[in-house]
Amino acid sequence: QQQVKQSPQSLIVQKGGISIINCAYENTAFDYFPWYQQFPGKGPALLIAIRPDVSEKKEGRFTISFNKSAKQFSLHIMDSQPGDSATYFCAAPLTDTGRRALTFGSGTRLQVQP
Amino acid sequence: DSGVTQTPKHLITATGQRVTLRCSPRSGDLSVYWYQQSLDQGLQFLIHYYNGEERAKGNILERFSAQQFPDLHSELNLSSLELGDSALYFCASSPRTGGGHTDTQYFGPGTRLTVL
Repeated sequence: QQQVKQSPQSLIVQKGGISIINCAYENTAFDYFPWYQQFPGKGPALLIAIRPDVSEKKEGRFTISFNKSAKQFSLHIMDSQPGDSATYFCAAPLTDTGRRALTFGSGTRLQVQP
Repeated sequence: DSGVTQTPKHLITATGQRVTLRCSPRSGDLSVYWYQQSLDQGLQFLIHYYNGEERAKGNILERFSAQQFPDLHSELNLSSLELGDSALYFCASSPRTGGGHTDTQYFGPGTRLTVL
């Protein structure tokens, strides 16, 4: 079911640094690319999302970059903080469900060191 | 707080048993989705209901079933439980069915199921 490939599996960044997480997909019918953030013991929470008609979307310290020709999208966390330590998932619509559900990447565990 | 509630928070049961997980969507949301999160399979879509009707199925086992009631809350029923069913089960809700494009989904806090 996994139709998006996420990397890296884990990431350690110093406080104030830039965290970059990448996702690749094959299905050109995907039209919505969200990133979810999950803290231990909690459900995933929508962080930021992009549709393929734009190449970049920024919300505060979080930016999605979208490369349609390469079929890749990435999450950049600027000025990373210890509070950003969490697991991040990229996702895309499951087209065989009429885009009604999401398929998730395998997740990236981010640790921001103080 | 996403506005989606799930009960119970934790559930410990034995193999062969049956359990029911409950989800209340955000106020006004018509769609409910169930996902399973396990260490080996990651976060996987199980089933989607819109306004009481089943709309899409994912990798849901035949031993599992769900329904959405007129008040829009949903229940996921897991029967003949096996050790491998131990996982986190999340419910998510969204305003619409998502037909044509994907709606933002808001996840609940999950139910941790342990099968001994």
